[in-house]
Amino acid sequence: GNSVTQMEGPVTLSEEAFLTINCTYTATGYPSLFWYVQYPGEGLQLLLKATKADDKGSNKGFEATYRKETTSFHLEKGSVQVSDSAVYFCALSGPSGGGADGLTFGKGTHLIIQP
Amino acid sequence: ETGVTQTPRHLVMGMTNKKSLKCEQHLGHNAMYWYKQSAKKPLELMFVYSLEERVENNSVPSRFSPECPNSSHLFLHLHTLQPEDSALYLCASSQEGFTGANVLTFGAGSRLTVL
Repeated sequence: GNSVTQMEGPVTLSEEAFLTINCTYTATGYPSLFWYVQYPGEGLQLLLKATKADDKGSNKGFEATYRKETTSFHLEKGSVQVSDSAVYFCALSGPSGGGADGLTFGKGTHLIIQP
Repeated sequence: ETGVTQTPRHLVMGMTNKKSLKCEQHLGHNAMYWYKQSAKKPLELMFVYSLEERVENNSVPSRFSPECPNSSHLFLHLHTLQPEDSALYLCASSQEGFTGANVLTFGAGSRLTVL
C-alpha cells in the first residue's frame, strides 16, 4: 500500500535559516503529492502540491519538487520566519488520484523557529 | 460561514456516553472525510463519503458510526468509546473529479477526550 516517510523532529532553526524537510514515499501508479501545514489549534491547510514528475509546487516561499526517480518530495524554504513554526505533513493521493482513496499522510514534522 | 466547520471543538465523555461530532462544509464539495489524528501517528483515514455514499471504511471499530445526510453535512456518532479513542478528529471535504490532484480542505478539528 501507499506510505509516506518524513523526519519527525522537532526541527529547531533560527530565523532566516534555510529549511529542508525530507519526505519520501511508496506508491502504486502516479500519485499527486502534497504538503499540508497545521498551525496550533487549527486544522490542516494545503501549502503546495505537484501532480506529475518534475513538477515544482510553490507557495509563501516554500518549494518542493516531485522526484519520481528518488520517490521524494522534500520541502524547502530559503529563509524561515518565526511565523513558519507549525507542523508540516507530506501526503500523497490514492492510486486512482481521486477522492475515494483519500490521502495518505506522513507523521508530520514539528518545526520551531527561534527569533 | 465559510470553509469547513466542526462542532464541538472540545468534547469530554465517559466510556458509556453517546455523543456526536458534526461537520459542515460551505464549499459546494461532493466528498467528505473523517480523519483521526493521534500523537506520534500518521493521520488515519476513517471514512469517506462521495456523493453522499460511503466508499471507505478502513476497518474502523463499530463504536464509530458515520452519517452523511447530504453533501454539506457529516456526522460521527460515538458510543461506548475507549480511552485510546482520545484524539483530534478532523473533517475534510473535496471536489472529486477525474483529473486527480484531489485537494482536501480541513476543519479545525474536534478534540475528544474519553475518560
